[in-house]
Parts: sequence; C-alpha cells; structure tokens
Amino acid sequence: QSALTQPPSASGSPGQSVTISCTGTSSDVGGYNYVSWYQQHPGKAPKLMIYEVSKRPSGVPDRFSGFKSGNTASLTVSGLQAEDEADYYCSSYAGSIYLVFGGGTKLTVL
Amino acid sequence: QVQLQESGPGLVKPSETLSLTCSVSGDSVTSGSYYWSWIRQPPGKGLEWIGCIYYSGSTKYNPSLKSRVTISVDTSKNQFSLKLSSVTAADTAVYYCATVGASTYMDVWGRGTTVTVSS
Repeated sequence: QSALTQPPSASGSPGQSVTISCTGTSSDVGGYNYVSWYQQHPGKAPKLMIYEVSKRPSGVPDRFSGFKSGNTASLTVSGLQAEDEADYYCSSYAGSIYLVFGGGTKLTVL
Repeated sequence: QVQLQESGPGLVKPSETLSLTCSVSGDSVTSGSYYWSWIRQPPGKGLEWIGCIYYSGSTKYNPSLKSRVTISVDTSKNQFSLKLSSVTAADTAVYYCATVGASTYMDVWGRGTTVTVSS
C-alpha cells in the first residue's frame, strides 16, 4: 500500500481538463510544499512535470499545473492532448521517512 | 546536463545480493548539487523509493527496505551504487537511478535496468 493515495484511473476527451488528486497526511503532503508530479509513458522512465507543488521545470507545457490544499495535492492537465495519455505519480517529502510516492493514476485520453 | 546510466546483472538468484551501479556524466557526484537516488518499479506496479546518498556519504533509506539496502558513492569513478541483500521474487523490478533536488524532486532519471530474481 502506497503512502500517498491517488485514484487508479482518470480520463477526459481531447481539449478537456482533468484533475488527479494525491492525498497524504500532515506528515507529508500537508506538512511541506514539497510535492512533485511525474509522467511516465509505457516502457519509459518517469519525467518530472511539477515540483514544489506548482512549479514547472523548463520545457513542461503550461497546460500542466499543480495545487495543494491541506493534505491533498492535485495535478490538472488542461487542453488534453493524445500524448498526455500516461501514468502519473505524485511524491512528497515526508520528514523522517524522507520521500514517499503515490500509487499512480492511469490517464486515458478518450 | 546531467546524465545517468544504470548497469548490473539482469538476473539474480533468490537469497543473493543484487548489485547495481549508476554512472554519472555531466556533473560530479561530489558537486553537492543533488542527493543521488535509487527507485524501483515492479512489473505492472507503481514507483517505490529505495534510498539516496549525498556525496558526503549521508544516506536516507526507505524504512521498509532499510535492513537490506546499502547505497554508496565511488568518487573515483563518478558513480553511485545499490546493494540489496537477501532478494526474493518480490524484488523483481525495473531499477532507476535519479538525481534528487533539495525539495526531493527527481529531475534527471536513468533509463532503468530490469532485474529479475529467479533461480
């Protein structure tokens, strides 16, 4: 069982917006602004999409945005495109445990 | 631009020790810019953080694996390594190495290497 809880699946049609949640506790997500999001296509290494809750690395489209409220972080993908279909994982700093991942969400573009 | 490349045996026998190396190019493991980390992904499952090391030798490990894991740095070869002892089939996974920034984001990943535990 993963430390952070994500929905197993999410979906949307091209052009729509989809939001994926990541729920933790006050010891991880809620306690620090150190939530990251990763995109993973089949057979590929994960790619950093969001760090420190809402910051985008260079080269990541602004269609990807992050937010946090309390113990739940979220990733929103706006203007869905076919290439956004992938698995998405959240992670958080977790104090003495240091780092924890979510179980992952499979995003399907309908 | 930092690049990482995992290497090591693709097949390990049960009860033996899994050993992997991550070769670093484009930066020095002693630069102090990152923690250097290992993550794994069992077939069809999610990501699991294994542990990480700073150039000083300071380590952090996943509590669920801590008793079996050792991560070390070889500054002469600009590499860092993973040893996982007493492996079982449950340790079969793709193993990735990655850089870890100050706020625990992992922005550079290796391509991953598949390790199968089987007799």
